[in-house]
Amino acid sequence: NAGVMQNPRHLVRRRGQEARLRCSPMKGHSHVYWYRQLPEEGLKFMVYLQKENIIDESGMPKERFSAEFPKEGPSILRIQQVVRGDSAAYFCASSPSGGFTGELFFGEGSRLTVL
Amino acid sequence: KNEVEQSPQNLTAQEGEFITINCSYSVGISALHWLQQHPGGGIVSLFMLSSGKKKHGRLIATINIQEKHSSLHITASHPRDSAVYICTVRGGSNYKLTFGKGTLLTVNP
Repeated sequence: NAGVMQNPRHLVRRRGQEARLRCSPMKGHSHVYWYRQLPEEGLKFMVYLQKENIIDESGMPKERFSAEFPKEGPSILRIQQVVRGDSAAYFCASSPSGGFTGELFFGEGSRLTVL
Repeated sequence: KNEVEQSPQNLTAQEGEFITINCSYSVGISALHWLQQHPGGGIVSLFMLSSGKKKHGRLIATINIQEKHSSLHITASHPRDSAVYICTVRGGSNYKLTFGKGTLLTVNP
């Protein structure tokens, strides 16, 4: 049973380009959460999605950031017109139902570097 | 002030030493997790606690709900224990985890 899969593991973008980060939850999990880890900072909640629905995006920056979790395929975190401050590690976690009632399952993270 | 405070921020130990990492939180919680993150690596869940004490191999985690405090202990530390240890709590919302900034542990041979 594969764990939470994230790709790419490392992504380099120039300022103004777009970054797309993908997350495939564990088998049987239909809830996905994205967290951001800025350098020297702790992890921060960004968005919570179920299939085809955004449940809570209160942690997402108001502009340039969007997330989706389509009926088929992985969840996508999209960052448009990236700036240097977007350089961070982006982690995805999944759970079988709403909220974490037990163990946490995180992916390996996607490390975005903006030049 | 962060809702979850960890101490120390950095810890260097010699192989074999007993390690303690502390976590204090200011909010009511339903559970607390200890996570491990190796440099450049993913995040692994070590423990979930809502009361008492848990042990797994050389790792022991305790929580005192009244004092809003948890500790992670590592007995007979080894260089492969070198990692960042993160305390995270679940409050009123089960998915909005609140994270400490982590403790960077370096165990020298």
